Amino acid sequence: EAGVAQSPRYKIIEKRQSVAFWCNPISGHATLYWYQQILGQGPKLLIQFQNNGVVDDSQLPKDRFSAERLKGVDSTLKIQPAKLEDSAVYLCASVPTRSSYNEQFFGPGTRLTVL
Amino acid sequence: LAKTTQPISMDSYEGQEVNITCSHNNIATNDYITWYQQFPSQGPRFIIQGYKTKVTNEVASLFIPADRKSSTLSLPRVSLSDTAVYYCLVGGSGGKLIFGQGTELSVKP
Repeated sequence: EAGVAQSPRYKIIEKRQSVAFWCNPISGHATLYWYQQILGQGPKLLIQFQNNGVVDDSQLPKDRFSAERLKGVDSTLKIQPAKLEDSAVYLCASVPTRSSYNEQFFGPGTRLTVL
Repeated sequence: LAKTTQPISMDSYEGQEVNITCSHNNIATNDYITWYQQFPSQGPRFIIQGYKTKVTNEVASLFIPADRKSSTLSLPRVSLSDTAVYYCLVGGSGGKLIFGQGTELSVKP
């Protein structure tokens, strides 16, 4: 079974530029999460999708971050404009439709460096 | 959502059993206790989940006392490849996960 795919793996941009990250969850997983992980900290949830609908985006900085999952499969997270403090690893995770476990399947992440 | 407290770091040697304890004093009745492992440059990976007493799988054991205010992840006979950050989380089944800082385990030869 293929895992969660993310691209790019690394991205370096200058502040005030825009950037987009892509995630393709495991086939059949209806729930998709985006996390931000700053060096030395645990992952912080940014947004949760159930199919193509947003379930929780309470911690998403909506003035600069946006995310979509138009067809309920793959998802894109965008930052516009980027700030220095956005330097982090952006993780995508997905969950099987009927899981009784808190088992989220994470992708390898995209490491963003904002200069 | 319940907050968890765990040691920032731990050291061990190959072949030893490692026990990482997590405190979650305000765990709710319907909360499960879940542990994740994260290697550098990788996303977290699910290790084990439990509600009460003891749960064991091929990787680890999870001990939960009757009051459920703490839990202990036990890794038998660790190897160098077990060097990672371990996260303890509490939450409802299928619900939102809130990661703390985790415990950085260093296994030495």
